Amino acid sequence: DSGVTQTPKHLITATGQRVTLRCSPRSGDLSVYWYQQSLDQGLQFLIQYYNGEERAKGNILERFSAQQFPDLHSELNLSSLELGDSALYFCASSVVSANSPLHFGNGTRLTVT
Amino acid sequence: KNEVEQSPQNLTAQEGEFITINCSYSVGISALHWLQQHPGGGIVSLFMLSSGKKKHGRLIATINIQEKHSSLHITASHPRDSAVYICAVDTDTGNQFYFGTGTSLTVIP
Repeated sequence: DSGVTQTPKHLITATGQRVTLRCSPRSGDLSVYWYQQSLDQGLQFLIQYYNGEERAKGNILERFSAQQFPDLHSELNLSSLELGDSALYFCASSVVSANSPLHFGNGTRLTVT
Repeated sequence: KNEVEQSPQNLTAQEGEFITINCSYSVGISALHWLQQHPGGGIVSLFMLSSGKKKHGRLIATINIQEKHSSLHITASHPRDSAVYICAVDTDTGNQFYFGTGTSLTVIP
């Protein structure tokens, strides 16, 4: 058990809708990362937060946004969903902002129909 | 162009064989990660390296910063090692994270 909790495990929704994915980091970890894994693109880095502040941004679409709250949990919001957004979304946490081991959640599988 | 390249893409081995998976990268890095993803989808971090060599049980990871290359070795492979192994790098600018496409390993009893 990595100590990172992601909810929900599965999500099925329709095109055009908006969903929120939630991540609670391992106790003591200040940094949260979001990743997308699709069949055609593999794993891609979306965004990183450190102690409530955005630290790094990867291939995150403008329709997607995230935040990290004072209790350090993070939410990834996906809006105007398209079929191509169907993927596994992983959250990971680490103690510091860089160069520390990552602890992954079990992922949220999003299916857009 | 992929910033991180892995080889081989697929690998089948007999139980007990010594296995090597390679990772080359083209960007400046502050750290390299080896990850394991099982068929159920969960991802486990195996190693984080910024120099030298690390060992954990039957797994050994090495990195050569000058050559921008890392290897993951599995000694005395076992069917439970069957998984996808993914190399990933933290860039030295601190604002990007790149993944390789993964190596799918199958170990046959």
